Amino acid sequence: NAGVTQTPKFQVLKTGQSMTLQCAQDMNHEYMSWYRQDPGMGLRLIHYSVGAGITDQGEVPNGYNVSRSTTEDFPLRLLSAAPSQTSVYFCASRPVAKNIQYFGAGTRLSVL
Amino acid sequence: LAKTTQPISMDSYEGQEVNITCSHNNIATNDYITWYQQFPSQGPRFIIQGYKTKVTNEVASLFIPADRKSSTLSLPRVSLSDTAVYYCLVGRGDSGGYQKVTFGTGTKLQVIP
Repeated sequence: NAGVTQTPKFQVLKTGQSMTLQCAQDMNHEYMSWYRQDPGMGLRLIHYSVGAGITDQGEVPNGYNVSRSTTEDFPLRLLSAAPSQTSVYFCASRPVAKNIQYFGAGTRLSVL
Repeated sequence: LAKTTQPISMDSYEGQEVNITCSHNNIATNDYITWYQQFPSQGPRFIIQGYKTKVTNEVASLFIPADRKSSTLSLPRVSLSDTAVYYCLVGRGDSGGYQKVTFGTGTKLQVIP
C-alpha cells in the first residue's frame, strides 16, 4: 500500500540548476498538489491539479512548473533553482468525493 | 478565504486530555473543518473532519459549536507519541475551493512525561 511516493528524499542543487521532483500516487485520486514548507511555517500551496491535463497555480507558483499527463504522476519542475527555494516539498493527493488529502514523505531540497 | 487562528504551542503531561481550539470567524456555509497531524520529517496526516456538532473517531473528537466560528480538537489521554504539530483547515470540498485551503502555522503540542 504505497500511497503517495516522492523522490528523491534529499537533493542539493547549485543556484541556476534545474531539476524535477517526482510524485506518484496509486490510489487513483483525481486531485494532486504540491506544497512547500519552510522552517517554522505551515504549508503553502505551489500548484495543484484536478485531473490529467488540468493544472492551476496556488499561492506561491513562481519559479515552478507542473504538468499532469497521467492520473498517477504529478512532477514539479524547478526551472532555475534559487536559494529562496530551499525548503521541504510535499506532494499530496485526494479523491474527488472526500476533502481529505494524503501526503507523501517529502523532499528536502537545499539550493546553494 | 477562511483564515484560521490557533495557539502557536501547547504543553501537556502524559495521560491528560488536550483541547486545541481553532478560530475561523469567516467560515463559509460550504466549508468543512479538517485537522491534520504532522510529525517531524513527515507529511501531514489526516486526523478528523467535521461540518457541525460533534465528530468522534478512534483518534480524536472534534467539537463544533452552532455558529461554526470555532472548533476544538480533543485528544484523550495523550502519550509522548502525540507530540506533533496540529493544523486546523477550513475549506470547501469541491475543486473550486481547492486552492483556497491553506495551512496556517499550526499548534505545536509537546507532551511531557
